This record gives sequence, structure tokens and C-alpha cells, in this order.
Amino acid sequence: SAVISQKPSRDICQRGTSLTIQCQVDSQVTMMFWYRQQPGQSLTLIATANQGSEATYESGFVIDKFPISRPNLTFSTLTVSNMSPEDSSIYLCSVLGYPNEKLFFGSGTQLSVL
Amino acid sequence: GIQVEQSPPDLILQEGANSTLRCNFSDSVNNLQWFHQNPWGQLINLFYIPSGTKQNGRLSATTVATERYSLLYISSSQTTDSGVYFCAVASWGSARQLTFGSGTQLTVLP
Repeated sequence: SAVISQKPSRDICQRGTSLTIQCQVDSQVTMMFWYRQQPGQSLTLIATANQGSEATYESGFVIDKFPISRPNLTFSTLTVSNMSPEDSSIYLCSVLGYPNEKLFFGSGTQLSVL
Repeated sequence: GIQVEQSPPDLILQEGANSTLRCNFSDSVNNLQWFHQNPWGQLINLFYIPSGTKQNGRLSATTVATERYSLLYISSSQTTDSGVYFCAVASWGSARQLTFGSGTQLTVLP
């Protein structure tokens, strides 16, 4: 299984600011995803991070709010822009294993917006 | 998109008891996985099981793809089994993106 390092592990931010979350994988992976988990809720897919091209966003998520970079097959960033208290959530990086297609998660970023 | 329903939403057990968690889904799937989110938020992949039966220690899972459900069995539960159990599925043509159910919150009492 892949080892996924995500940072920061938690942060408290002011309204209107932005936070960039980093995700580093110890091996090259094709499929990398970003999920959001709102308090007490399930996981919702934000986007698929595509290497060398624009991310593919799910309904309800837009690039201006959640810009994603993926410069290579082991690294991705998610930025939460112009934050409001409604953005307070856990943000999770995940990768799809090969060839067994199991999904593995980083330890998550607990974001609180004041 | 595909719908995923998990039951029960909450479950409280005494240590040593057995339990069965259920996951129903609305369409044919080519990927089904079970996860455990511990009280510290870490998600652990328990099973990749789009069909058939698998066992790992005290945990086992069965997916009946033709009837669109999966079951997770926990035997001789321990307090460390507490947390939220999620089922996640991907249907054919979904670009391998998993949709998560709402989860079952399990509490095992000593």
C-alpha cells in the first residue's frame, strides 16, 4: 500500500484567507483524488487531480474556489480559497492502488475557519 | 449517480458481541470497498470486494453484486473496533471515482 503524507494536519484560519494543503505519495500513482468530509458527515469527492493537466471537478466544486495542482505522479496540492466558516471540514488526499484499485487515504487536514 | 445506503446508522455493542453492517447500492458496480475511520479520523481500507467473500481476522465481507448489496461482519468485537464504517462503490463508467455511503457509527463498550 502507498504511504501518503499530508500536511498540514490541522490549521485554524481567518475568513477570507487561503490555505494550501500538500499531499506527497511515496510511489508513482496514476489516480489521485481530493475529498472533503464535513463535520459528522460522509466523504464527498471534490476532484480528480490529473497529472500535467487541469483537475476534473465534481458538481458543486469549482476551480476558483478549490484550485488543484499535480505537477508529477507523486505530489498534489489543494488550495481552499477565500475561506468562510462553511469551509471548516477535513480535507483528504487519496490514491488508487494498482492493480488492485484499493483506495488509500492520507491522514487528513482538519481545517477550522473563524 | 449511484446511490449508496448503509444500515444501521448507529450501533452500540458490548465487547465480545458480533455485528453485521449492510451496504445497499443502486447500480451495477465494478468496485466496492469497506473502510474504517477511527476516532482520530484516519481512514483504513478494510476490504476491496466487488464480489464474493473475503476474511481478514475477525472481519469478513460478502458482496452479492447481482442483488446489489454488501455485508461486513465483525466478530468478537473489541473497543478498538469503534469508529465509523464506510462502504464506497464505483459503477462502470465512473472513471474509478468512489461514492461513499453515509456510514455506520459503531461504539463498542468495555
